[in-house]
Parts: sequence; structure tokens; C-alpha cells
Amino acid sequence: DAGITQSPRHKVTETGTPVTLRCHQTENHRYMYWYRQDPGHGLRLIHYSYGVKDTDKGEVSDGYSVSRSKTEDFLLTLESATSSQTSVYFCAIRQGNTEAFFGQGTRLTVV
Amino acid sequence: KQEVTQIPAALSVPEGENLVLNCSFTDSAIYNLQWFRQDPGKGLTSLLLIQSSQREQTSGRLNASLDKSSGRSTLYIAASQPGDSATYLCAVDWNSGSRLTFGEGTQLTVNP
Repeated sequence: DAGITQSPRHKVTETGTPVTLRCHQTENHRYMYWYRQDPGHGLRLIHYSYGVKDTDKGEVSDGYSVSRSKTEDFLLTLESATSSQTSVYFCAIRQGNTEAFFGQGTRLTVV
Repeated sequence: KQEVTQIPAALSVPEGENLVLNCSFTDSAIYNLQWFRQDPGKGLTSLLLIQSSQREQTSGRLNASLDKSSGRSTLYIAASQPGDSATYLCAVDWNSGSRLTFGEGTQLTVNP
């Protein structure tokens, strides 16, 4: 398995609270991605990073921010969680236009 | 808009059958296409990566084909087994960036 770890694996939080999800890789891959997966929508890109401190928005970035201060860590923050952000979040890594590897996912419930 | 579509959304077959899963994409300017498998409650596992210059890629009982001009890829599974039951997703890497765009997947059930 590719060295990619997501934490936490499960989280329940209240509406309006900030939440941070962490993705950690040991592969030294340049690109890191955050996706969310919802029934009827498949996987949708939230944000991605192409290097330390280099990030860009995906198709569903509203309400989310990211940071990458080290090659190995990519953080996804929900500034003020809403029920519509209840989802399964996946982190992915790859070196370039090559094979992508995914983490095991974080199941987030906003109540 | 660059979109990826997978039809059917669900497929049920008896064990031993050969089957084909379909993936279509709206823009032929792709870098590569990747097929994944996802088991319930799990992450995605990469199955095959097919480059835009390739027409086929094989791994064991799996064979992926790519036809850029028609905007289609197929994943052929030979001699299906109950352990093949999972959701299969395709993802396109467009020339215009470093993002992957996913189809919604085909949920495959192989019945013993």
C-alpha cells in the first residue's frame, strides 16, 4: 500500500464548529488532493496542491480551505461546518501525471 | 465542460461470466485514464493506468482499452468471481491540468 494516512478516520462535529482533517504521506509525492464522495455525485475535487504552499481550488471548494507547509502533510479545514459537508473525504497523492493512490477516507458527520 | 460518465450504474452477473464496464469522457485531450476499484467503506485501489498513447493495458483477468477519438474506455473482466464484487470507477487526467475527474462508478455484483 502507498504510504498515505488520513486522520481522523471518523468524526462527528456540531454545526458551526471548525474541523481539520489531515493527510500524511511518506512517498514524497508532489501532488496531493482532497476529494469528497457523496451518493449521486461520485468523487468531487475540493482542493489540490502541487507543492509546498502551492494550492488550487477544485470544483467544490466553497467552505473549505487547505494548507501544505510540508511535503508530507496536506490539511483540509472546514471553517464553520455545515450539514451539507457531511461526507466521506478522501486524500490522494501522485508524483505527476502518474498513478494516483488514495487514503482510506475520513467519514465526517455534521450534526 | 470536461465530464466523465459511467454506464450502467449497477450490474449483476453470474459467476464465471465475462463482462465489460464502460467509461466515456467529453474531451479527447487526455493525458491518461485510470481505473479503480472501491470496496464498501474503503478507499480506492488502483487497477490499471492507461496512457493516452496506449490502446490497451492488461493486469491478470483485467484488460482496459482506450479510444480517445470516440471518448471511450472499457474495462473487461474475464471469468468473473464473487470477490470481484465492488464499485469500479474510472478517472480521467486531462491535458489541461493535473486534476483527475471521476465518473460516478459502476457497482458490480457477481453472484455465486
